[in-house]
Formats: sequence, C-alpha cells, structure tokens
Amino acid sequence: DQQVKQNSPSLSVQEGRISILNCDYTNSMFDYFLWYKKYPAEGPTFLISISSIKDKNEDGRFTVFLNKSAKHLSLHIVPSQPGDSAVYFCAARAMEYGNKLVFGAGTILRVKS
Amino acid sequence: DTAVSQTPKYLVTQMGNDKSIKCEQNLGHDTMYWYKQDSKKFLKIMFSYNNKELIINETVPNRFSPKSPDKAHLNLHINSLELGDSAVYFCASSSGTVTREQFFGPGTRLTVL
Repeated sequence: DQQVKQNSPSLSVQEGRISILNCDYTNSMFDYFLWYKKYPAEGPTFLISISSIKDKNEDGRFTVFLNKSAKHLSLHIVPSQPGDSAVYFCAARAMEYGNKLVFGAGTILRVKS
Repeated sequence: DTAVSQTPKYLVTQMGNDKSIKCEQNLGHDTMYWYKQDSKKFLKIMFSYNNKELIINETVPNRFSPKSPDKAHLNLHINSLELGDSAVYFCASSSGTVTREQFFGPGTRLTVL
C-alpha cells in the first residue's frame, strides 16, 4: 500500500523553464513533507521541506506547495538548470510513527540544454 | 570529510552466505537508520537506532540484524542471503528522533547470485 505516490516516473524540461514535480499522499497523519534529490551512485540529499501547517516554502529556485485538502504537494524549480537533472523523491513523516520517512518511487527529471 | 559513509559500496555474494555492511557518521547525530531501495526504486525503512537503542523495526526478516556499537556506527548483518535481498542499502542519520531532515550515505549495492 503506497502511502506516498509520485505518478510521473519521468519529466523532461528545457533549461530555463519551470519544472513541476508532483506528489500525492493518502495518510492524513503525515505532518511533515520533504523532497530529496538523488544523483546516480549517490545517496539522496535533502532539498526542501514543508510542515503541514504551511502551504508554501521557498528556498532559492525551489518552492514546495502543499494542498492538505487534496493531499497533494508539488516541487517547483525555476529556472531549471542541467545540473538539476536527477531523481527527485517525495517523502512524508508522521509524528505518531516516530521519525520514519515514507518515500515515493521518485521522478526522474531531465533538464535539456 | 564524508558525513555518512558506508562500506563496501558494492557487494556481490552467493546465496546462503552471511555478509555485513558498515555505516559510520561523523555529524555527531544520535539517530541512525537503514533503508532498502528495491528493484521498484522505493526507499523503505528497515531499522532505526537512537543512542544505540532500537526504536524502529519494520517487518524485516530475522536474518537481518543491525548492530550499533556506538552512536556513530550502525552496521547491518545479513545471514543466509537470498536472491530477494539484492538491493541498494542506504544508511542515514539525524539529530534526535523527531527531527525532520535525514542525511544519507552513498549506498551499498548488494547482489546475491
């Protein structure tokens, strides 16, 4: 039972344009959401996060939006750069479950120059 | 100056063997984790230790036994390896048990023949 879903396996975007990566979740107990970026043969690295009490968090070119009623979050990258090409994982955490992160399957982002 | 390191990076072995993967973090964190990334690319938590005490133990076969000799190390020992154990195993660490961000190691690709 996938509690965190990333329905787009891959996304291709032109350099300079906006990349939008989507994530849906089913468990209403989730109170914190994170995005991780992963290059081949490396571990995931933390990118940006958002608490369930907020609907937006911005950090430079990266913005995460949370729609609690729709149980949906998205990561916007503007402008996209070739170095952004990687796998992006959405993850969620519920305080009641300790610090266990539940990950989606990831979306491969390719930024074309 | 690697934050979370794992050894070995690659491990190829025969069915039925026993093997260990080592993990060390130099971030001063007190909580460490093991995740498994299966063939479908999902990252799933296996174990979590806080101050050498087991706090998360997902439904993992008894053949998997984590060992935490101190706060900076969390090793994973696997007995009687099976074909289905082939995966990439990631170690991670965080500060505290209710913190948000986890720092991941580079992963160990285990192949069971």
